[in-house]
Amino acid sequence: SQELEQSPQSLIVQEGKNLTINCTSSKTLYGLYWYKQKYGEGLIFLMMLQKGGEEKSHEKITAKLDEKKQQSSLHITASQPSHAGIYLCGAFLRSNDYKLSFGAGTTVTVRA
Amino acid sequence: GAGVSQSPRYKVAKRGQDVALRCDPISGHVSLFWYQQALGQGPEFLTYFQNEAQLDKSGLPSDRFFAERPEGSVSTLKIQRTQQEDSAVYLCASSLVLGQRNQPQHFGDGTRLSIL
Repeated sequence: SQELEQSPQSLIVQEGKNLTINCTSSKTLYGLYWYKQKYGEGLIFLMMLQKGGEEKSHEKITAKLDEKKQQSSLHITASQPSHAGIYLCGAFLRSNDYKLSFGAGTTVTVRA
Repeated sequence: GAGVSQSPRYKVAKRGQDVALRCDPISGHVSLFWYQQALGQGPEFLTYFQNEAQLDKSGLPSDRFFAERPEGSVSTLKIQRTQQEDSAVYLCASSLVLGQRNQPQHFGDGTRLSIL
């Protein structure tokens, strides 16, 4: 069972359009990680958020962690075909955790 | 190597056979994790090593699963008497130091195991 809920499960976006993926937990998140996975491959680390209200950006991808540290969003601006893949959020659910708990992933398709 | 290396990339075995999956972590990484990823799901924790010590094996599904890291670098995940429900992608991850949340876990490409 997944203790992190991701939404939507999948989405199709036109190239050049923006998209947002959400990751929600009923528990406080002690460290939130976003990864990207292409089918048949491993997870590529994108960004890490630790503090409530924190926001980070890299190229056209922005990730935020809410003040209560129970929800994170990943926003992609002006999507490109290279953004297609499965986006996974992972988090530590306890203050002394070392193992990541993951959401089920969001599959992103970018249409030319 | 520069990243986490896993082999084989694909493994097909008949039900009842034993399999061994190898993980070569990033050089110098103390922590090593094994995760299992079913189709359409996120990875699920299996076991954790700090150097050669296996500190947590709470996620191993049954006593048919066994992992080792004898010299604190390469790790092997062994599955005995494989069953169809063992079919999944097995991911290995490593991180530099335990307990520092500013050190992300870096994942290999995984081994896709299919049990016929």
